Amino acid sequence: QKEVEQDPGPLSVPEGAIVSLNCTYSNSAFQYFMWYRQYSRKGPELLMYTYSSGNKEDGRFTAQVDKSSKYISLFIRDSQPSDSATYLCAGPNTGNQFYFGTGTSLTVIP
Amino acid sequence: EAGVTQFPSHSVIEKGQTVTLRCDPISGHDNLYWYRRVMGKEIKFLLHFVKESKQDESGMPNNRFLAERTGGTYSTLKVQPAELEDSGVYFCASSLSRQGTQYFGPGTRLTVL
Repeated sequence: QKEVEQDPGPLSVPEGAIVSLNCTYSNSAFQYFMWYRQYSRKGPELLMYTYSSGNKEDGRFTAQVDKSSKYISLFIRDSQPSDSATYLCAGPNTGNQFYFGTGTSLTVIP
Repeated sequence: EAGVTQFPSHSVIEKGQTVTLRCDPISGHDNLYWYRRVMGKEIKFLLHFVKESKQDESGMPNNRFLAERTGGTYSTLKVQPAELEDSGVYFCASSLSRQGTQYFGPGTRLTVL
C-alpha cells in the first residue's frame, strides 16, 4: 500500500468553478501535510501546509485534513486559468522524508 | 534570493554510460534532498544530506547511484553505469531546518537509451 494515494485525474473545469482535490494516506505518523503545485517543466512549489485536523485558508485556497479518516483535501475557489497545473499532496515522516501522491492534473478552461 | 538550481536541465545518455547531476541549494540551507520521479509514478525520496553528511539514504535504488555533498554546499548525484530504468526526472530540494519547508529545483530530466 502506498503511503499517499491521489487520483491522477485529469480534471478539467470551467473558469470560476470550485475545485476539489483529494488524497488519502496510510501512515498515521504523518504530523503535517503539504500541497505542492507543479507547472509543466518546473519543480514543485509549496502551496499550503497544515499541521492538524481542520481547515486552513489562504486566499482562494483551503486545505482540509481529516485525521480520523486519513483524508486530505485542497479546495480552490473561483478557479482561474493560471491555476492549471499538477497538484501534489505530500506528508513527511519523522525524518522529514516526503511521501508524495502521484499528482492530479488540473486544467481550468477560460 | 536565488532558488534551488539544477544542472543540466536535460540529459540523454546511452545505457552503460555515466551521468552526473548537480544541485545548488538555496544559500544557507543545510538540508538537501534528492528525489526522483519515474514516468507515471509518484515523486520518490532518494536521500537527505545535512551539511556534508548523509542523514538518510534509504531511498537510493542501488549502488549504481552515488551522491556527494563535499563542503556542505552543492551536491552531485552520479549514476554509473546508467540503466534504462534510471530514466526520469531528478529533483533536488533544500530546507533551512530539518523540519522546514522544502524548496524544489526545476529538476533534471534524464533519458537513458
